[in-house]
Amino acid sequence: ETGVTQSPTHLIKTRGQQVTLRCSSQSGHNTVSWYQQALGQGPQFIFQYYREEENGRGNFPPRFSGLQFPNYSSELNVNALELDDSALYLCASISAGGDTQYFGPGTRLTVL
Amino acid sequence: GESVGLHLPTLSVQEGDNSIINCAYSNSASDYFIWYKQESGKGPQFIIDIRSNMDKRQGQRVTVLLNKTVKHLSLQIAATQPGDSAVYFCAEKRDNQGGKLIFGQGTELSVKP
Repeated sequence: ETGVTQSPTHLIKTRGQQVTLRCSSQSGHNTVSWYQQALGQGPQFIFQYYREEENGRGNFPPRFSGLQFPNYSSELNVNALELDDSALYLCASISAGGDTQYFGPGTRLTVL
Repeated sequence: GESVGLHLPTLSVQEGDNSIINCAYSNSASDYFIWYKQESGKGPQFIIDIRSNMDKRQGQRVTVLLNKTVKHLSLQIAATQPGDSAVYFCAEKRDNQGGKLIFGQGTELSVKP
């Protein structure tokens, strides 16, 4: 196990709703990245948080937003959900000065 | 454009044989490469990584080879076991893009007993 935890495990929402996903990073890791993985695809980078600030973003619209807290845990918020937002959402934590990203088990989001 | 591609979507091997999973990347400026294993319903699990100033790195039963001339990355698994059955992803990172990993589509490895 990586020590990265995510909640909830599964979630079902309807179009237009908002969702918040949570991630607790591995102890001592101060950087968290979020990824979206559609079925049968590789993960796509959403954004990264370091010291409570976003410091890198992929090709995702502004309705995808996040937060990082002083304990390095993080949230991913998605507003105005669309059917195509159905995916596995992964967070990964990185140690200070390190390269390796350790992933959590993911949250499976289904949008109906 | 950004892409890390895999040559084969599926690979089937006999238990005990060696497996080789290949990956092509498009940007010669990539600094870091990593292989992940993903089992059904789980998050990607780190296998091995390599920086661009190296051409080979070995772990336990796994070896990663990097050929920068042809922008090719491979993962070799020795004595493949049924527990190795999973989807394998290569990913690349460029140091000037922070933590952004660019993943390929994945190769599904199936190990026959």
